[in-house]
Amino acid sequence: QTVVTQEPSFSVSPGGTVTLTCGLTSGSVSTSYYAGWCQQTPGQAPRTLISNTNTRLSGVPDRFSGSILGNKAALTITGAQADDESIYYCILYMGSGIWMFGGGTKVTVL
Amino acid sequence: EVQVVEPGGGLVQPGRSLRLSCGTSGFTFDGYAMHWVRQAPGKGLEWVSGIIWNSGSIGYADSVKGRFTMSRDNAKNSLYLQMNSLRPEDTAVYYCAKDMIDWGQGTLVTVSS
Repeated sequence: QTVVTQEPSFSVSPGGTVTLTCGLTSGSVSTSYYAGWCQQTPGQAPRTLISNTNTRLSGVPDRFSGSILGNKAALTITGAQADDESIYYCILYMGSGIWMFGGGTKVTVL
Repeated sequence: EVQVVEPGGGLVQPGRSLRLSCGTSGFTFDGYAMHWVRQAPGKGLEWVSGIIWNSGSIGYADSVKGRFTMSRDNAKNSLYLQMNSLRPEDTAVYYCAKDMIDWGQGTLVTVSS
């Protein structure tokens, strides 16, 4: 069965740039997977930042951007802030009404 | 303002059933797909089930297929998840989400004897 893959962790300096990726164990991610990105801090409900590959939701800072990089979906944080320290999950539409989350990437800002 | 609220969690014994509900307001309910997502203690997010606006297509994760049934009542702006044959590994916070964009605060379901 195909699994959605994400890097387990990333560290970024304040003001720096980091790109998280979301891939598949079999195949390539394209816009047909309608990739979304959610941010979650401990004890809180998830917050969706990006939907449909690159649509930034209302109220989301423009330092967050979504794209397709090669054969993966990507979330780039440009000018990271301390508040961005969270776990980031990608979610992909696998077809036939089925969605799948990746395992999450823990981002540390230091 | 979009609001999504999931009351109805609790403690249930293995093998028993529980029905979760999700109430919504602030948007045209029958214009959106809705989803259930869960998170086991200390684990990541897991998509459980999703339903399109007219209930014409409902998808389930393999881990719950055949045991859970998702439904919606557009007249009541409400979403439901009937969970049967519950297992300890179903213990999680269950979130209701509008179009995977707006999320409720979640409700804890604990399956234990």
